[in-house]
Amino acid sequence: QSALTQPASVSGSPGQSITISCTGTSSDIGAYNYVSWYQQHPGKAPKLMIYDVSNRPSGVSYRISGSKSGNTASLTISGLQADDEADYYCGSHSSSSTLGVFGTGTTVTVL
Amino acid sequence: EVQLVESGGGLVQPGGSARLSCAASGFTLSDYNMNWVRQAPGKGLEWVSYISSSSSTKRYADSVKGRFTISRDNAKHSLYLQMSSLRAEDTALYYCARGVPMVVSGWYFDLWGRGTLVTVSS
Repeated sequence: QSALTQPASVSGSPGQSITISCTGTSSDIGAYNYVSWYQQHPGKAPKLMIYDVSNRPSGVSYRISGSKSGNTASLTISGLQADDEADYYCGSHSSSSTLGVFGTGTTVTVL
Repeated sequence: EVQLVESGGGLVQPGGSARLSCAASGFTLSDYNMNWVRQAPGKGLEWVSYISSSSSTKRYADSVKGRFTISRDNAKHSLYLQMSSLRAEDTALYYCARGVPMVVSGWYFDLWGRGTLVTVSS
């Protein structure tokens, strides 16, 4: 089971919107609405930001949104803020024996 | 406080074994499926293993299958990962991560511990 493909880095200025893509296959992202997204600041544990493609857990900012089309999922951060600077990982359930897979990770830089 | 606390990491020789533990508090462990996720130094996240709430279902990443064993003791509020035949590429920070509630379908991790570092080196 190969990792899902994400861009290595995405950047934006404060107040702008950015979108991170996550490309999988018809065995993972394309097969289930079980895509999740995680934010990880340096030296910290990952934090769940989106689950089931587009649902936000309690306490996660409304500026965070998720979507999916075919084998590709996307995370959008609107009104970019300094604290959004972090690594972001997507994840998906998979029909393979390994059950699930994460993305390669994207570093978001606020210019 | 709702939290997960991992322990058991350290320096292990190649070919050696280690047992990781994860203590859950602030919620009922038996209500949730649980997972181990690891992160090699400077690298991304890698899902390692899954165990259902009743221990009836266990799954492993291909990279650890046959070498790692996941287990849990709901009465002791604990999750475990027995690792054997360790290799240099198993060096990573190992996170305990809470999965979906037992009555829910899905795949996500909404609560993470701080991790325990396993270093495989001679």
